[in-house]
This record gives sequence, structure tokens and C-alpha cells, in this order.
Amino acid sequence: QVQLVQSGAEVKKPGASVKVSCKASGYTFTSYGISWVRQAPGQGLEWMGWISAYNGNTNYAQKLQGRVTMTTDTSTSTAYMELRSLRSDDTAVYYCARDSGIAVAGTFDYWGQGTLVTVSS
Amino acid sequence: DIQMTQSPSTLSASVGDRVTITCRASQSISSWLAWYQQKPGKAPKLLIYKASSLESGVPSRFSGSGSGTEFTLTISSLQPDDFATYYCQQYNSYSPLFGGGTKVEIK
Repeated sequence: QVQLVQSGAEVKKPGASVKVSCKASGYTFTSYGISWVRQAPGQGLEWMGWISAYNGNTNYAQKLQGRVTMTTDTSTSTAYMELRSLRSDDTAVYYCARDSGIAVAGTFDYWGQGTLVTVSS
Repeated sequence: DIQMTQSPSTLSASVGDRVTITCRASQSISSWLAWYQQKPGKAPKLLIYKASSLESGVPSRFSGSGSGTEFTLTISSLQPDDFATYYCQQYNSYSPLFGGGTKVEIK
């Protein structure tokens, strides 16, 4: 069965960086993309960006350009999301999701369990 | 940029009710719209893709319709397990965008 297992909760200070991992299993990793979606406490869903697990192409949300980097390691079927220069409003649960899009982001049919990132001094 | 507007933001309903949630796009997105259900503390779950296609394993009481700029998610007979928050998502552009969400509460 398809599973996406994310790394554990993180507490970071403002200005620091965080890197969240997402290990996929149960499907051919390189046949799909991975999107990252975050949700601030009590708020809605925000799409952060997409990476093709096939060729590493990326597309990031404009508001995060320059602060976010998404990568994959096809040898371990793991996707990574690094967010730099953290601010308090980056406090959120971060989800990875299997993305049906091959060339661009599409729909998200399987999701990780979420990783809480808390940014606090 | 495409904007997505969901209504209502909160909906109170009873078990057995027919429930309709609306999602409007600021410009045409053809049929590139999905619906998700999210329960507290859980990841979202894909219900509908391409405006009206039911995701595998999703009960048939859920249905989606619409194209262009106006879309609806309908639950034909609300069940206790359906009390949750629902989000629409457009994927017509390079930047997918979610609607603000509709919380379905027990009346």
C-alpha cells in the first residue's frame, strides 16, 4: 500500500532553517511528483511547491521563492523540503503528498502524516 | 493569479441532509478542480478530481459538478463520518491553489 512517512516535529529559532523528509513506499517513486502543503494553526491549506521525482524539475509558490528548496533521493524514494530564514508565521504542519502531475502539479492522492514545525525564540 | 472562493465558510446540517458546497474561480479553470475532506489533526483526503470524478474508495454519496468558474460538491445524505472541513483546489495553473475551506458542523 502507498505510504508517505515524514520526519518528526521540529522547533527552530527565527532565522534558522528546517529540512523535512518524506519517505515513500508502495509505488514507483519516479512515476509521480511530490507536492508540499502547509497548514498554519487553525488556518487553511497552502500549496508550497512541487517536484518531479522523475527528473527533479521543481515549481515553487511565488511567495516562497528564494527560501524553499525541494529535492528527491531516488535511491531511497525520499523527498525533502528545506525552508530557510524561518519566521514565526512559518509555524505550521507541513505535509508531503503524492502528486499525480508528471510535468506540473496536479492532485494529491496520498498524504504524509504531517510534520509540525514551530518557529519560536 | 487565480483566486478560489468557497461558500459557505461554515455549514450546520443534520444527519441525512443533502449538503452542497460551492467553489468559484476568478477565471476559467476548465474542469481542473479537486475536492478534499479534512478531519481535525489528520491529513486531507482526496474525494473528487477533474471536477466530477470520484476517487477510488470514496462513497457514492459524494459527487462533484461544474466547469469553468463555478463548481459544487454535494453530499446526498450526510453521515456522521462526514462532519469535517472541505477544501476545493484548482490545478489549472502552475500554482495550485486551495479554497478557504467549508466546515460542516452538526446542527
